[in-house]
Formats: sequence, C-alpha cells, structure tokens
Amino acid sequence: EDKVVQSPLSLVVHEGDTVTLNCSYEVTNFRSLLWYKQEKKAPTFLFMLTSSGIEKKSGRLSSILDKKELFSILNITATQTGDSAVYLCAVEPSTDKLIFGTGTRLQVFP
Amino acid sequence: DVKVTQSSRYLVKRTGEKVFLECVQDMDHENMFWYRQDPGLGLRLIYFSYDVKMKEKGDIPEGYSVSREKKERFSLILESASTNQTSMYLCASSFGDRERQPQHFGDGTRLSIL
Repeated sequence: EDKVVQSPLSLVVHEGDTVTLNCSYEVTNFRSLLWYKQEKKAPTFLFMLTSSGIEKKSGRLSSILDKKELFSILNITATQTGDSAVYLCAVEPSTDKLIFGTGTRLQVFP
Repeated sequence: DVKVTQSSRYLVKRTGEKVFLECVQDMDHENMFWYRQDPGLGLRLIYFSYDVKMKEKGDIPEGYSVSREKKERFSLILESASTNQTSMYLCASSFGDRERQPQHFGDGTRLSIL
C-alpha cells in the first residue's frame, strides 16, 4: 500500500530558529513529491520535486529530494511567526493523483 | 492567480439529509478532486474527475457521489448524511497530465452532521 509519513508530528520553536521537516514515502510508482503550507484555509503550494539532489528554494524555504532513500526534507531558516502552519507532504504515484502525509504542525513563538 | 471557490465555509446538516457541496474553478483545469481532511488522517481522496461527465473513485468513495456537468464545476453529494461524515472537505483542481502543474485548493467546507 502506498504511504507517506511525515515527522515530527509537531514542532515548537522560537523566531529565528531553523527547522527541518521530514517526509518519507513508499509508493509503487513515483512521479513527483509536493510540499504545501496550510494555515487556516486552503493548502498553498510550495514546491514540486521530481529529481534527486536538486534543491528547490524560495526565500527562506528550501527543499530537496532523495529518490534512492525515498525521502524529502523541507528547511525553513530564520523562522518567523508567519511560518506557523501545518506543512503537508504529498507524493504523486500516478497521473495527477496525490497521496498525503498527515502533516507537521509548526508553531513559531516570538 | 488560480481561484478555486467552494460554496460554503461552514455547513450544518442533519442525519439522513442529502447534502450538496459545490466547487468552481476559473482556470480551465481538466482535473478536479474532492478530499476530506480529518485530524491524524490527513487528506484522503474521495472522488476525482479528468473531464466533463467523467468520474473516478478515490480511496474513500463510500457514502458519496459526484457530478461534473460543466468543466468548471465539480459537486460532491452526500446521499444520506451520517455523523461520521462530519469533516473538512477540500476541493482541488489542476491541469491535465501534460502540464505537470500542482493541484490548487479551495478554502474548504467544514461540514457538521448532527
């Protein structure tokens, strides 16, 4: 059975800290891995990763994929209170369908 | 910007009622999806559609049906609502396979069945 596992389940940090969120997966086929950020409403898209070892970066956020070891990490440097959210990892095992992990809840305190 | 609009943010219905959740997207996306999101279980796919009048079962279709009469609109129907269908429902849309674009989500409908 295809599955996506995220860790930790939750994380509490202070502003300015750097955090690393983990996503491991087991799927029969692999097309891409996606990261989303969910605050109180719609999950918003962060990154799509398809190739191993190529870092995707957007401001203080970055992500990398390891297709051999079947995992991805999402790094957030110099965290801010606005980074507080649930971060969702999803894997696309076949055309256009996504399998989601349960998410990591990040709380950033001033 | 992609806009996926769900008709209600909050909805309260009674057991046994027929419930309609509506979703509209404005980007001419081929694909549309319905998920439910529950604590500890993440997002689970209920139904999806690759084209008008076309539908495919997801991982948890029992107790639900869908309708896609127009490309921009995808409706989720709870035929006879039950308390275990109390959940957050999220609609998403994306371009077809050729585009390799991510799914975009609506704000969700928090449905309570009493």
